[in-house]
Formats: sequence, C-alpha cells, structure tokens
Amino acid sequence: QSVLTQPPSVSAAPGQKVTISCSGSRSNIGNNHVSWYQQLPGTTPKLLIYDNHQRPSGIPNRISASKSGTSATLDITGLQTGDEADYYCGAWDSSLSAVVFGGGTKLTVL
Amino acid sequence: QVTLRESGPALLRPTQTLTLTCTFSGFSLSTTGMCVSWVRQPPGKALEWLALIDWEDDKYYTPSLKTRLTISKDTSRDQVVLTMSNMGPVDTATYYCARIPNAGNYFDYWGQGTLVTVSS
Repeated sequence: QSVLTQPPSVSAAPGQKVTISCSGSRSNIGNNHVSWYQQLPGTTPKLLIYDNHQRPSGIPNRISASKSGTSATLDITGLQTGDEADYYCGAWDSSLSAVVFGGGTKLTVL
Repeated sequence: QVTLRESGPALLRPTQTLTLTCTFSGFSLSTTGMCVSWVRQPPGKALEWLALIDWEDDKYYTPSLKTRLTISKDTSRDQVVLTMSNMGPVDTATYYCARIPNAGNYFDYWGQGTLVTVSS
C-alpha cells in the first residue's frame, strides 16, 4: 500500500492527451514538492518533473504537471507510442521523514 | 558528467546481510545540499524508497525497514554504502542509488540498478 495514490493504468490514443493523478495528504504533497518519473520497460526511472512543475532540460513541453492542495497531476499531450511506460509520483513526507512514492501508473498508448 | 553505479552480490541466502555500494562521479557528497539515496523495485512492482544520506551525514530511513537498514558515506572515495540485515525472499529486487541535488526531494540521476535475489 503506497502512501501516494495513483491509478494503476491509463490509456489514450496517439496524439491525444492523458492525465495521471497522484493523491496524498498534508504531510507529503500538501506541504512538499512533487516529482514525477518515467520508467520505460526494462529501464531506469527518469526524472520528468521536479518541484511540482519544473522540467529538467531535455524534457519536452508536451509534458507538464501541477499541484493543488494534496493532489498532483501529470499531463502528457501529443501522445506517442514511445510514451508507453510506468509513471511514478514522489514527495517528501514530513511526518514520516521519508520519501514516499505512488504505486505507479502504466500508460498504454492505444 | 554525473554517474552512479551500484555494486554488490547478485544472490543472497535468507537471513544474510546485504551490502551494496554506490560509487558515483561528477559531484561531491560534501557539497552543501547534496544527497544520495537508495530505492528498490521488486520485479513487476513499484518503486520503494529505502534510505538517504546528506552532505552533513544526516541519515533518513523508510520507517518499515529502519531497524534493518544502515546507510553510510565515504566522501573521499565518492561512495555510499547501504546494508540491510536479515534478508528474505521478499527483499528480492533491483536496488538503485540516486542523487538528490540542492537538498531537494527529487532524484535527478539514477544508477543502472543491481538485481539482488534472495533464495535458499
């Protein structure tokens, strides 16, 4: 049981937009920054978003994220088959003094 | 260029202690704000954060495994070591080390991971 809650799977057609949600509590998302990671099949996680909505260099602007209260969302527009991956949200939890992750969301591009 | 590389045993017997070493380059763990963390991922399952050590040698552990984990650093050798005692089959996973910059709470660089299997 993960501290952060994500939908197990989402799907959309190529070219469409998908939104992945991440729900937490005041002690994690509510009071700390959220990050997002993409894990392509058989590979290492890759940072997509940090500090709620910041993109590292090299991440295209069709990938965006936001946070409101104790929830965060990751948006991917112009979906490509290469976007098929597992996506994880993460945050610091001030009550646990620990990093917490979501359970991951598998994105399928139909 | 920042790189991290995990090393350690691929196979352990139940009850043994796991010792993993993260050897990194391209940054110093004595730099203010720098941290290194360990994350694991059982086959087909989600990421699980394990431990973190920062530039001031402060250490943090996931509550559920705190009694079994020890993290340490050797700044002169650019290494971070994680030990986990009393390993069991449920601890079979790929173990990653990752960097946290600027005292943030995100991982910007990850090692390739090392698969540790616990089996009798």
